[in-house]
Amino acid sequence: ETGVTQTPRHLVMGMTNKKSLKCEQHLGHNAMYWYKQSAKKPLELMFVYSLEERVENNSVPSRFSPECPNSSHLFLHLHTLQPEDSALYLCASSPSGGGTDTQYFGPGTRLTVL
Amino acid sequence: QKEVEQNSGPLSVPEGAIASLNCTYSDRGSQSFFWYRQYSGKSPELIMFIYSNGDKEDGRFTAQLNKASQYVSLLIRDSQPSDSATYLCAAGGGGNKLVFGAGTILRVKS
Repeated sequence: ETGVTQTPRHLVMGMTNKKSLKCEQHLGHNAMYWYKQSAKKPLELMFVYSLEERVENNSVPSRFSPECPNSSHLFLHLHTLQPEDSALYLCASSPSGGGTDTQYFGPGTRLTVL
Repeated sequence: QKEVEQNSGPLSVPEGAIASLNCTYSDRGSQSFFWYRQYSGKSPELIMFIYSNGDKEDGRFTAQLNKASQYVSLLIRDSQPSDSATYLCAAGGGGNKLVFGAGTILRVKS
């Protein structure tokens, strides 16, 4: 069982809905990440938080809004999404947030936007 | 644009054979390299990491790094059907992020 948990595991939402994805890490790490994984594409880094401070935002549309209340929890708030946002959303954590850190992934949330 | 390139496959090998997975990276500043395995519908799980030129062995897995050629490989000895998955290569360096390749699909036929 992974030290990084994500809820919900599956989510279907309409384009006008608002929902949130939750991630929790039990590894004592200081950095957390959101990734988007679409079919046959590399993992796309969306956001990086280190010690609860956002340190990376890869030109993600504003309909995705991250929140990191503490080093163990990370949220991704979703609103007015588009069908092309349907993907697997993965949360990861690492000890310190450096580029050489090993990242550990949660099980992901499979999101479908109708 | 920092990139990591992998052949998408599928790479098919018979059970018991050696599977060889390859990866090239564009950023010469990359210092750490990772191999993740991802089963269909699951999240990536770390297999190995390597920082230094040469080989690193862990059980049936050997990672090889050649920084001069900007090349990383993963060898899987005695391949098993349970090794069938997508293998992701990632490179990290300065900054906060890893750059991932799109992955190579491996199929081990029994």
